Amino acid sequence: DAKTTQPPSMDCAEGRAANLPCNHSTISGNEYVYWYRQIHSQGPQYIIHGLKNNETNEMASLIITEDRKSSTLILPHATLRDTAVYYCIVVSNNAGNMLTFGGGTRLMVKP
Amino acid sequence: GAGVSQTPSNKVTEKGKYVELRCDPISGHTALYWYRQSLGQGPEFLIYFQGTGAADDSGLPNDRFFAVRPEGSVSTLKIQRTERGDSAVYLCASSLTGPWSNTGELFFGEGSRLTVL
Repeated sequence: DAKTTQPPSMDCAEGRAANLPCNHSTISGNEYVYWYRQIHSQGPQYIIHGLKNNETNEMASLIITEDRKSSTLILPHATLRDTAVYYCIVVSNNAGNMLTFGGGTRLMVKP
Repeated sequence: GAGVSQTPSNKVTEKGKYVELRCDPISGHTALYWYRQSLGQGPEFLIYFQGTGAADDSGLPNDRFFAVRPEGSVSTLKIQRTERGDSAVYLCASSLTGPWSNTGELFFGEGSRLTVL
């Protein structure tokens, strides 16, 4: 699976949009981009995933560049409860859902 | 509840002892995964079950670690002759289908924190 690169930490003001970047320059055509987050002392939680097109759900939006070498997770109105570690993961469609977690981005939402 | 349940939530043991950690997946989920997470790091894959069989155990660090899922539902992770380096949070996850489906969502439990003194 392609490796991802994320900044180790970011801050965001409460109520503002949080934009979390992820580089996956070696992604191949059959690999999806997944985002999970892990709130302190909990297991990881699925947020969103995409292949080529931008995606939106009730939690977040995922913007994937046209060349698919990077993506951005957007939390449109961050709250204090969004403070967590956010993991960007690239998974191929023959990996049996085997997620490989990197270090993630620690997002701190501040009042 | 309808989520993934792991027991015990905390386990303290002495070096050299045997430990079992249990995972109850979401009902009907055929795929089950074990991960290990050390402090400050992302979860590390250990083993994946599809039904009763271990489809991929490439992440198990050595032969002291073993996992079973005899009836295709509950799974037990077994650690023999525990070492201090085994101290970590052991996470279990399940998903509706496997191998690959592009829903891809894994549901994680809250983990079992193992401390080896």
